[in-house]
Amino acid sequence: EAGVTQFPSHSVIEKGQTVTLRCDPISGHDNLYWYRRVMGKEIKFLLHFVKESKQDESGMPNNRFLAERTGGTYSTLKVQPAELEDSGVYFCASSQSRVTTSPLHFGNGTRLTVT
Amino acid sequence: KQEVTQIPAALSVPEGENLVLNCSFTDSAIYNLQWFRQDPGKGLTSLLLIQSSQREQTSGRLNASLDKSSGRSTLYIAASQPGDSATYLCAVGASGTYKYIFGTGTRLKVLA
Repeated sequence: EAGVTQFPSHSVIEKGQTVTLRCDPISGHDNLYWYRRVMGKEIKFLLHFVKESKQDESGMPNNRFLAERTGGTYSTLKVQPAELEDSGVYFCASSQSRVTTSPLHFGNGTRLTVT
Repeated sequence: KQEVTQIPAALSVPEGENLVLNCSFTDSAIYNLQWFRQDPGKGLTSLLLIQSSQREQTSGRLNASLDKSSGRSTLYIAASQPGDSATYLCAVGASGTYKYIFGTGTRLKVLA
């Protein structure tokens, strides 16, 4: 089975520009998460989709971040406009229906650098 | 607020040693705990998932234990190998939500 795929693997943009990250979860996984790690810090939760619905977006830093999950399949995370502190590695993860018993499967992440 | 701490932050051992990585959490209201491995430039790979009602899980040379009441988990690696070198992270699933709270990880280096 194909794993969680994230694109691009790296992105370097200037402050004020827009970037869109994409995640393709494992086929059939209803749960999709976005996490990020900023320099030197632990991995932190951003938001959680169940199918196409946002279940929890309490970790989104501010309204410059917008996540969507079209038709309950792939997801995008847009940062507009990007700020220096948005630099970090953005991870996507997916799991099967039973969240409490299903392991998380992570993608390789997108390393975002805002200059 | 749930906080997860991992000790030590880094560990270097000779090949063949048995070792223990520690994870502690401040709030015992969790539904599970997962141990992950991360290789440089890669994503996280789930190693073991322990339900809150379980005491331990085993997979090959790995054994993870959970003591929810004391807020602790350990990951035991038997007969370590150079291929075990990676960063190991624990994450707790916070009750009432479906999000995981991660520790900062333990960087393990196994010397040949």
